[in-house]
This record gives sequence, structure tokens and C-alpha cells, in this order.
Amino acid sequence: EVQLVESGGGLVQPGGSLRLSCAASGFTVSSNYMSWVRQAPGKGLEWVSVIYSGGSTYYADSVKGRFTISRHNSKNTLYLQMNSLRAEDTAVYYCARDPGIAVAGDYWGQGTLVTVSS
Amino acid sequence: QTVVTQEPSLTVSPGGTVTLTCASSTGAVTSGYYPNWFQQKPGQAPRALIYSTSNKHSWTPARFSGSLLGGKAALTLSGVQPEDEAEYYCLLYYGGARVFGGGTKLTVL
Repeated sequence: EVQLVESGGGLVQPGGSLRLSCAASGFTVSSNYMSWVRQAPGKGLEWVSVIYSGGSTYYADSVKGRFTISRHNSKNTLYLQMNSLRAEDTAVYYCARDPGIAVAGDYWGQGTLVTVSS
Repeated sequence: QTVVTQEPSLTVSPGGTVTLTCASSTGAVTSGYYPNWFQQKPGQAPRALIYSTSNKHSWTPARFSGSLLGGKAALTLSGVQPEDEAEYYCLLYYGGARVFGGGTKLTVL
């Protein structure tokens, strides 16, 4: 059974850093495209980043230069390192599996809440 | 800044048919944008419905269909059920990056 479990969210001050984790089971992270998507309270979905099976990475303009997506193959885990956090980064962060180039988010985690506030 | 636009809200009667659309600020949406559609209900993670314009996942009810319509991606629900009341999001690909639409709140009334 495919499962994604996010962790690492919490309260952080503006300018601070946080690393989110997404532990996967039932499939191999490194063989799939994996994405991060966020949703600010009461708002819509915002695509954040993707890492391809080959290792290429892409980011939304809103996080480029501040966030880094990565994975640990032996731990079968996806990460999102978030630096220079701003109030507008406050959101529930979801990880999702993209099983193919044209197939987005067939499985999603339950999300982890990141709150950026002083 | 690429913007993907959806109808903010639509209302449909049970048993009726409704079409949601997804437009790109860069021009006509084609199959090369690989339109994906998701359903999200309050307090839940999104659920994938359609990928690559018109392909259904194994769990997607038959009443959902995807297409290209007049330069936009479209999601049509035929024979709407009360449980279809939800927020619907499209996702378009721009090279390596992706962009979600703002979402359509579908009310079944």
C-alpha cells in the first residue's frame, strides 16, 4: 500500500529555517517524480517544487533560491529545506507522488502545517 | 508570472451536467500542458481525477471526463451527485514547473 507521511512542520520566526520530511512506503521515491504542494489557510493549492527520478529539480518562482528539494534514497524519504521563511510561506505542505511526466499527484500525504510568525 | 484561471464558483443541480474550465495566461491550453484535475473536500488532501488531459485514474468515477475546449482544459461532470460538491483544481505544466489554477468551488444544489 502506498503511503506518504509528512513531518517537520511547526512554528518558526520570519527569516528562520525548517526542514520538512516525507516518508514513503509501498513504492520507491527515487524511481518516481516527487512534488511538494502547499495550501495557505483558506486558500487554493500552490505547486512548490518537483524532483525528477533523474535528479533534476524545479521550483515555483515564489520559493526559488530559498527552498531546496532533495531525497534520501536509502531512507526512501523526500525533503524540503526551507530557508529565509516569510509570513506568506505559512501553509499546509503536502508531498505527492507523480508517477509519470504527465501524471501528477496520484498519492498525497496528509500534510504538515508550517506557521511563520513572530 | 504565469496565471492559470478557473471559474471561482459554479452551481449545478443533482443529476445535471457541468463543465469547469482552465485557462492559461500564456495562450491556448494544448495537450502539451498535460492538464491534470484534482478534487478537494474540506479537511482532506486533494484527490487526483484526470491526468494528461483526459485520462482517468482507476478510482475516477465514470461521470468525470477531461477534454480540451476552446483553447482551455475542461472537466465535465455528467449526472452530478451530491458527493461531488467540492473544490476542483487544474494543474498545468510549463516545462519543468507546474502551476495550479485558483480552484472552482462546485456547489450541488
